[in-house]
Amino acid sequence: DILLTQSPSSVSASVGDRVTITCRASQGFNTWLAWFQQKPGKAPKPLIYATSSRQSGVPSRFSGRGSGTEFILTISSLQPEDFATYYCQQSKSFPLTFGGGTKVEIK
Amino acid sequence: QVQLQESGPQLVKSSETLSLTCTVSGDSVSSYYWSWIRQPPGKGLEWIGYIYYNGGTMYNPSLKSRLTMSVDTSRNQFSLKLTSVTAADTAVYYCAIYNRDPSKYSLDYWGPGTLVTVSS
Repeated sequence: DILLTQSPSSVSASVGDRVTITCRASQGFNTWLAWFQQKPGKAPKPLIYATSSRQSGVPSRFSGRGSGTEFILTISSLQPEDFATYYCQQSKSFPLTFGGGTKVEIK
Repeated sequence: QVQLQESGPQLVKSSETLSLTCTVSGDSVSSYYWSWIRQPPGKGLEWIGYIYYNGGTMYNPSLKSRLTMSVDTSRNQFSLKLTSVTAADTAVYYCAIYNRDPSKYSLDYWGPGTLVTVSS
């Protein structure tokens, strides 16, 4: 199984801040990395697929990049509705696996 | 817009079988790959497996010995059965579309989830 390790596990930030979340994989791959946003009591919302492509309707302040074993989600200017937990997920091989999550909290 | 809705018992006794159904609206189950994911309270996400409309499956090896998925094209539903459950199977269970288009390979649409509690 591909193990995904996210860092930090939590981050405190203010509205307008730039936030970066890292997802490190136990095996390298180039493309099949996705990001999800989850708010309490809700299903995960797809944000990014294929490392850097935004899902339909996702604001441009969300961007993804990376390759090999390191992938990054950036929120360029944090908005009030962005406070949530973020998960990375790989589709390089089965079983599909998720990172442990990064909670973005209000500073 | 495709919508998914999980249904089934919210309480299951230990050692018994957990059964859930996902009803699809806005598209046909004869498209996509239909996936299940779970999330124990306060914890992260675990992919359970998927089924294709023709019955082809891919299961997480950690659950494979207890797991059966099925699809009912006439009702536009797909289902999950997990046998011999324990407290460790207590989780919110989500159904989702797994888009295996080579340009995506993504879990595109999710149901709202249903909490299943295993009691002793």
